[in-house]
Amino acid sequence: DAGVIQSPRHEVTEMGQEVTLRCKPISGHDYLFWYRQTMMRGLELLIYFNNNVPIDDSGMPEDRFSAKMPNASFSTLKIQPSEPRDSAVYFCASSGGLAGGPFGANVLTFGAGSRLTVL
Amino acid sequence: QQPVQSPQAVILREGEDAVINCSSSKALYSVHWYRQKHGEAPVFLMILLKGGEQKGHEKISASFNEKKQQSSLYLTASQLSYSGTYFCGTEIQKGTSYGKLTFGQGTILTVHP
Repeated sequence: DAGVIQSPRHEVTEMGQEVTLRCKPISGHDYLFWYRQTMMRGLELLIYFNNNVPIDDSGMPEDRFSAKMPNASFSTLKIQPSEPRDSAVYFCASSGGLAGGPFGANVLTFGAGSRLTVL
Repeated sequence: QQPVQSPQAVILREGEDAVINCSSSKALYSVHWYRQKHGEAPVFLMILLKGGEQKGHEKISASFNEKKQQSSLYLTASQLSYSGTYFCGTEIQKGTSYGKLTFGQGTILTVHP
């Protein structure tokens, strides 16, 4: 498996523009998580899905943020409109599934991240 | 509530040992340890479950004190490749969410030749 795949790796945009980040989880994993990493707040959970259904979005900072998972192999995180304080590295991670992997079903595998800079 | 890690930073010479601690105010189901190198994604090191089960990479050692809700990661005979930021992630509930972790603020480990 190629692991968790995220795109774009880097995004530079201007304040007010729409940003869409994409994620392809590991095949067979039924949990998908979106985390945001900043120097000030560290790694914080934004939202997670189970079997494509959003379970907990309490970490989404405000209505400008939305996430979808239309099928088991694709998820998006959208910010509209973007603001400079949204600048961060956004990680997608997946876990779960019947096989679970060598270390169990609740171990996260992270994607490489999308570094977002909002000017 | 975010677990608290200590120390915030450690500087070692190759071959020296280090201990990184993680403490939570809540009863935990599991503690996970990850290492992140600069510009890269966090990578799984070890999981410690309530009840004593542990799974992880062979060269990694850790403990979980369920009474105190504390975990420690032991890095022995450190190598240059150990450098990075170490995060603990805690999971409160069993079976309700596979991998819904709350991460500590991280411990920066630097190993010098």
